[in-house]
Amino acid sequence: GDSVTQTEGPVTLSEGTSLTVNCSYETKQYPTLFWYVQYPGEGPQLLFKVPKANEKGSNRGFEATYNKEATSFHLQKASVQESDSAVYYCALAPMNYGGSGNKLIFGTGTLLSVKP
Amino acid sequence: DAGVTQTPRHEVAEKGQTIILKCEPVSGHNDLFWYRQTKIQGLELLSYFRSKSLMEDGGAFKDRFKAEMLNSSFSTLKIQPTEPKDSAVYLCASSLTGVYAEQFFGPGTRLTVL
Repeated sequence: GDSVTQTEGPVTLSEGTSLTVNCSYETKQYPTLFWYVQYPGEGPQLLFKVPKANEKGSNRGFEATYNKEATSFHLQKASVQESDSAVYYCALAPMNYGGSGNKLIFGTGTLLSVKP
Repeated sequence: DAGVTQTPRHEVAEKGQTIILKCEPVSGHNDLFWYRQTKIQGLELLSYFRSKSLMEDGGAFKDRFKAEMLNSSFSTLKIQPTEPKDSAVYLCASSLTGVYAEQFFGPGTRLTVL
């Protein structure tokens, strides 16, 4: 079946350091890949999505490249800020024509804490 | 524009009780999702509706969990009977009907079962 595996947290960094959260996926279909972010007390919100292989998505200084060969979609940021402290979810939407087109499969989430 | 609304924000139940959680999706969205969120399992899909029709009911959650969508602007999730292992955050999300459309999440209901 479809699945997503990502870096287990928590991850603790100092402000100004770089971030990588690994994400690997399994599916027999042609997925669109997503990163969602969840701040305390809120629901997850979309960070960005990438529908095509070998393309890059980015938002708020975060970026990830859809690597079809490696089945990976690692999240990176060059310099984290305290305000980036949140839970980050990698997700895939299998390309399934018909009713499941919008269904998402989420990873277990990675809690990031950034210290000033 | 109003986002996804969930009520109540917090719920405490005794084991064996019936609880009903409510969700109002973003106006105009035809897809609605219910998820359970725990630290160990992350986000697990409970139910998925498209234009009020149930598309997926989350398999393992069938026996005590029932989601309904009586109209396009309101959905409920009933848990009957509750068990302590049901303690979690329950999230509702909605999206436009379009392939790979962004899901908009509500703030969630934190359920504690004693």
